[in-house]
Amino acid sequence: GENVEQHPSTLSVQEGDSAVIKCTYSDSASNYFPWYKQELGKRPQLIIDIRSNVGEKKDQRIAVTLNKTAKHFSLHITETQPEDSAVYFCAASKGGYQKVTFGTGTKLQVIP
Amino acid sequence: KAGVTQTPRYLIKTRGQQVTLSCSPISGHRSVSWYQQTPGQGLQFLFEYFSETQRNKGNFPGRFSGRQFSNSRSEMNVSTLELGDSALYLCASSSAGETYEQYFGPGTRLTVT
Repeated sequence: GENVEQHPSTLSVQEGDSAVIKCTYSDSASNYFPWYKQELGKRPQLIIDIRSNVGEKKDQRIAVTLNKTAKHFSLHITETQPEDSAVYFCAASKGGYQKVTFGTGTKLQVIP
Repeated sequence: KAGVTQTPRYLIKTRGQQVTLSCSPISGHRSVSWYQQTPGQGLQFLFEYFSETQRNKGNFPGRFSGRQFSNSRSEMNVSTLELGDSALYLCASSSAGETYEQYFGPGTRLTVT
């Protein structure tokens, strides 16, 4: 089955700096890669996603890149703010039957 | 639209008991997935239902089961509870069309003593 590895497990950055979280996946048939943000005590929230026919996608301060050949994708957050502090999960799916495999999460701390 | 709702939000059970959790998806969403979230294992896929049919299942023992009703509401059941079943159980719904976005409920925090 699909295996998703996520690094780093923890990340501390100064406010205003950029943060990058990286994930690799094992199943070349995966075609949908969402990212979720989970604040303490809250539900995971979809923040951005990318499909395998796209190499990069941006939404304001957040961007995701995908390298299908290397089977890795990354989340980039620019101009980080304290409210960006949360656990971020990457995931991979072949779509259709909605089986989504999650990475182990990255705890991001933005230091004011 | 109202978001995904789950009941109950918190539950304390004793080993050996059984428990039923409920999930109401976003109106119009026909796919419901269930996940177990623990600090050590992260988010683990349990199963997914679409139009009352289980389409996919994760690697959990048979004590974990689920079902979906004609209105897309879903329940999951855990029988013969073990201490290791203590976790946050999340459900997520999606329209299961060409878009795959899943939207999570607030979860049910199950504690087994």
